Amino acid sequence: GAGVSQSPSNKVTEKGKDVELRCDPISGHTALYWYRQSLGQGLEFLIYFQGNSAPDKSGLPSDRFSAERTGGSVSTLTIQRTQQEDSAVYLCASSLGPAGGQPQHFGDGTRLSIL
Amino acid sequence: KNEVEQSPQNLTAQEGEFITINCSYSVGISALHWLQQHPGGGIVSLFMLSSGKKKHGRLIATINIQEKHSSLHITASHPRDSAVYICAVRETSGSRLTFGEGTQLTVNP
Repeated sequence: GAGVSQSPSNKVTEKGKDVELRCDPISGHTALYWYRQSLGQGLEFLIYFQGNSAPDKSGLPSDRFSAERTGGSVSTLTIQRTQQEDSAVYLCASSLGPAGGQPQHFGDGTRLSIL
Repeated sequence: KNEVEQSPQNLTAQEGEFITINCSYSVGISALHWLQQHPGGGIVSLFMLSSGKKKHGRLIATINIQEKHSSLHITASHPRDSAVYICAVRETSGSRLTFGEGTQLTVNP
């Protein structure tokens, strides 16, 4: 498909487990972003990749959260030892160029539920 | 106080009405985005603007950099316009987007 693809679309897991969320950006998009939207809350920035490097990871809420991007394409967001407050929709977006001047294209998100 | 504030939080309109959603921000920005989020959760980028005005179909977005204010207008509103509209800014100092809380729009037939 031509859009940003995220998987899984839904994930239910027990508290304390690790989870991995995947994002396939639009081909050729060098910038990739992860956001989180908790129930009833606004969108919250997590991390930004330009190519494979993450010049801004200041939005990651704790050291249980990490993300990587390989080959300038697919990105994985990992949450270790999940807590109930991690329940949210995790959204990925990509844009053609660096942070400036390009619109962001969003995936449909992964709905994460921690029991 | 949030860096990005939207008003109103909720808006109910009758089909055909002209709708305005406002966004004010308190930081220096390089661009402002208007996003649309439908009940299923998918987000669509409507506009990205750094000055002036943009129009796409029935949607118009304006920005006043000096007043740090943007508006999203919908002309001849339709029930399919019902969604959450989100304002987001990219600060001049960084790469991240900072989001408003969103405006829930409901257009009744």
